[in-house]
Amino acid sequence: AQSVAQPEDQVNVAEGNPLTVKCTYSVSGNPYLFWYVQYPNRGLQFLLKYITGDNLVKGSYGFEAEFNKSQTSFHLKKPSALVSDSALYYCAVRDIGRDDKIIFGKGTRLHILP
Amino acid sequence: GAGVSQSPSNKVTEKGKDVELRCDPISGHTALYWYRQRLGQGLEFLIYFQGNSAPDKSGLPSDRFSAERTGESVSTLTIQRTQQEDSAVYLCASSLAWTGAGNTIYFGEGSWLTVV
Repeated sequence: AQSVAQPEDQVNVAEGNPLTVKCTYSVSGNPYLFWYVQYPNRGLQFLLKYITGDNLVKGSYGFEAEFNKSQTSFHLKKPSALVSDSALYYCAVRDIGRDDKIIFGKGTRLHILP
Repeated sequence: GAGVSQSPSNKVTEKGKDVELRCDPISGHTALYWYRQRLGQGLEFLIYFQGNSAPDKSGLPSDRFSAERTGESVSTLTIQRTQQEDSAVYLCASSLAWTGAGNTIYFGEGSWLTVV
């Protein structure tokens, strides 16, 4: 069965600095990988996804993520953090070729310090 | 519809009462998910419907929880004899079937349940 791990409960970054939110996954086949963001008192919003092709995926709000098959990772990145990026971020995985549910990580809370 | 719609947006109920939460998925989406999110916690998978297949109920925490879906449209999550630990946001999401280009799931704004 597929699984996804977000090893950090919280990440603190100074405004203007680059940020990374880590995600590793485990699937039996090839993965579909997703990042979602949740702002306070809101539902989850889709940020970006990796299906195939270029390992660097660009998404909303200046975020990008790099798929690394050998390390089974899909870390979320942004070159310059904004205070408004402070939110809860979820990584998710779905196993290609399986009619199966999407599995979410436990989430990482990102704090951007002014 | 344009997005996933959930109702009620807020519900306060007395311990021991039954509640029903409704989800209207995006039109044409055959897959539908329910998740629970307790205050300050991550997402907890509850149940997954995919087309006419038997639902994946592996996440339902107890037999007080059940869910139904009519065809490929509305779903209802029912919690019987509510307990205070059921207080949470219940999130519904939908997507196209897995066949195709890595179908994104889209979330509703959630139903906030408070059991007093």
